[in-house]
Amino acid sequence: NAGVTQTPKFQVLKTGQSMTLQCAQDMNHEYMSWYRQDPGMGLRLIHYSVGAGITDQGEVPNGYNVSRSTTEDFPLRLLSAAPSQTSVYFCASSWDRGREKLFFGSGTQLSVL
Amino acid sequence: GQNIDQPTEMTATEGAIVQINCTYQTSGFNGLFWYQQHAGEAPTFLSYNVLDGLEEKGRFSSFLSRSKGYSYLLLKELQMKDSASYLCAVTGGGNKLTFGTGTQLKVEL
Repeated sequence: NAGVTQTPKFQVLKTGQSMTLQCAQDMNHEYMSWYRQDPGMGLRLIHYSVGAGITDQGEVPNGYNVSRSTTEDFPLRLLSAAPSQTSVYFCASSWDRGREKLFFGSGTQLSVL
Repeated sequence: GQNIDQPTEMTATEGAIVQINCTYQTSGFNGLFWYQQHAGEAPTFLSYNVLDGLEEKGRFSSFLSRSKGYSYLLLKELQMKDSASYLCAVTGGGNKLTFGTGTQLKVEL
């Protein structure tokens, strides 16, 4: 059972470039989310989805877009990368928002130069 | 809003017991999670408390007092592999989950 698969593991971008972080889960979870983790800041919610076709903003959504066309996939798009988006990104899913444990992907280390 | 406080760092000795505290303020309360995160890895689930009291799971236990806005994670018989960051996360009103900044635990010989 693969769980939550997140790619790529590492990425370097130049300011202004765009890219998509991929996230897929095979546990039939309705809830999926994207977090960024910065030193001293803890995990902060970027965007989340409670089911296919439904997305909503989290705590730090600016500069990011998401879509949820299927239950399995929840990609995160950086529209025009900025150095402030240098961070570690985690995709996570669960059966129920806030009331069930989260399963995390392995993370993406993103550097924006 | 929600606010979570936990110590930044702790050090303990192999074989000992350590208690990691977490205090929170939240509008509405629907549960408290503890996650473990080793350096360079993703967080993994440790425990979930909804009601007051102690939940024991092997060497790890988690306690919750909703009236005091307080929880702790108790690790017994510490092992070197327990060196990690421990994240407290609270689900408040609207099922909004907020993470604390984590406690970095170092286990020494």
